[in-house]
Amino acid sequence: SAVISQKPSRDICQRGTSLTIQCQVDSQVTMMFWYRQQPGQSLTLIATANQGSEATYESGFVIDKFPISRPNLTFSTLTVSNMSPEDSSIYLCSVATDLGYEQYFGPGTRLTVT
Amino acid sequence: KQEVTQIPAALSVPEGENLVLNCSFTDSAIYNLQWFRQDPGKGLTSLLLIQSSQREQTSGRLNASLDKSSGRSTLYIAASQPGDSATYLCAVKSQGGKLIFGQGTELSVKP
Repeated sequence: SAVISQKPSRDICQRGTSLTIQCQVDSQVTMMFWYRQQPGQSLTLIATANQGSEATYESGFVIDKFPISRPNLTFSTLTVSNMSPEDSSIYLCSVATDLGYEQYFGPGTRLTVT
Repeated sequence: KQEVTQIPAALSVPEGENLVLNCSFTDSAIYNLQWFRQDPGKGLTSLLLIQSSQREQTSGRLNASLDKSSGRSTLYIAASQPGDSATYLCAVKSQGGKLIFGQGTELSVKP
């Protein structure tokens, strides 16, 4: 199994600002993903973080709003840009060793935008 | 487009009861199916992973089955305990490698 840490664990931010969330894994993984969980909802995939290239975004999510970096096989960042109260959610990093393998989740970052 | 549905949305049972949570998916072309547990305000804990070629997996009091052709999975919890109270999420990994989640079943086990 993979141990995943996320920073920060929670934050309260002002409207119009940006927040960068870090995800660190204790072992090299092929696949890294970012999910959003809005209050009372299930998880929605934001994007797949690709090492050394641009992330692959799901419908409804764009790079200008959610820029993602993945410089190596154990680290990724997600930035939530120009935040509005609608961005208040839990953001979760997820990893898998390879395509058919078990997927693991970090503890999440609870973001509140005021 | 893959869609995952979980029934019921919420379930309340007395301690000691055996229970079944249901999950259905629309596209049978999947790599695997995972069941997760989420406690309030917490991240996800993986409970069971069933590969597309498998019919069931067991871990302790938990048993998950998969019928890929009919697009269904069940999570069976034996002898439920108050500590089992949580939201249970079913997720299928599509051919594109994406994990698609259902809306979850919120389980409450009363002492």
